[in-house]
Amino acid sequence: GQNIDQPTEMTATEGAIVQINCTYQTSGFNGLFWYQQHAGEAPTFLSYNVLDGLEEKGRFSSFLSRSKGYSYLLLKELQMKDSASYLCAVMDSNYQLIWGAGTKLIIKP
Amino acid sequence: GAVVSQHPSWVICKSGTSVKIECRSLDFQATTMFWYRQFPKQSLMLMATSNEGSKATYEQGVEKDKFLINHASLTLSTLTVTSAHPEDSSFYICSAGTGDTEAFFGQGTRLTVV
Repeated sequence: GQNIDQPTEMTATEGAIVQINCTYQTSGFNGLFWYQQHAGEAPTFLSYNVLDGLEEKGRFSSFLSRSKGYSYLLLKELQMKDSASYLCAVMDSNYQLIWGAGTKLIIKP
Repeated sequence: GAVVSQHPSWVICKSGTSVKIECRSLDFQATTMFWYRQFPKQSLMLMATSNEGSKATYEQGVEKDKFLINHASLTLSTLTVTSAHPEDSSFYICSAGTGDTEAFFGQGTRLTVV
């Protein structure tokens, strides 16, 4: 079956760095996405990785290892507004997005 | 990035009535639109995939006669919740894509059936 695993909840301190991991097992692979979702709102796109390596975009970076079925989202210089759920999603061979359950990130002052 | 507009943002309806939710891609042609449902503190659950001009493909367990999806053009898809019941109360989100890179989400619609 297809499976996306990510931690349920993480806590970090304002100004610090946090890494949210995602492991996946899917039928085929056409890219991995990270989305941010604030409570009561639709997800917003953060990053897309289809090749191995690190993609940096401002305070957010995303890493992919296809051989390990592993990705992480790295958030630097954390701000209180970064408190949200972070969803990992993999596009399978049918170009369908398979979603993880999301990681709730709590930022403390 | 591309803009997807979903309307309404929230709606309250009486049990037994029908509600239509619109999803529009404003600055690109969406060959495929996806409809999701999200219960509180849970991940997105794909309900159906719709391709312009053809019938929607529903996920297992989703009643196609209850959740009517129409994708009449490359910029508009609608989801109609027919004969709504309180258990249909949820957050419904559409996304539109061209099939290769990323999905762009609408703002979501919070449906409350009373």
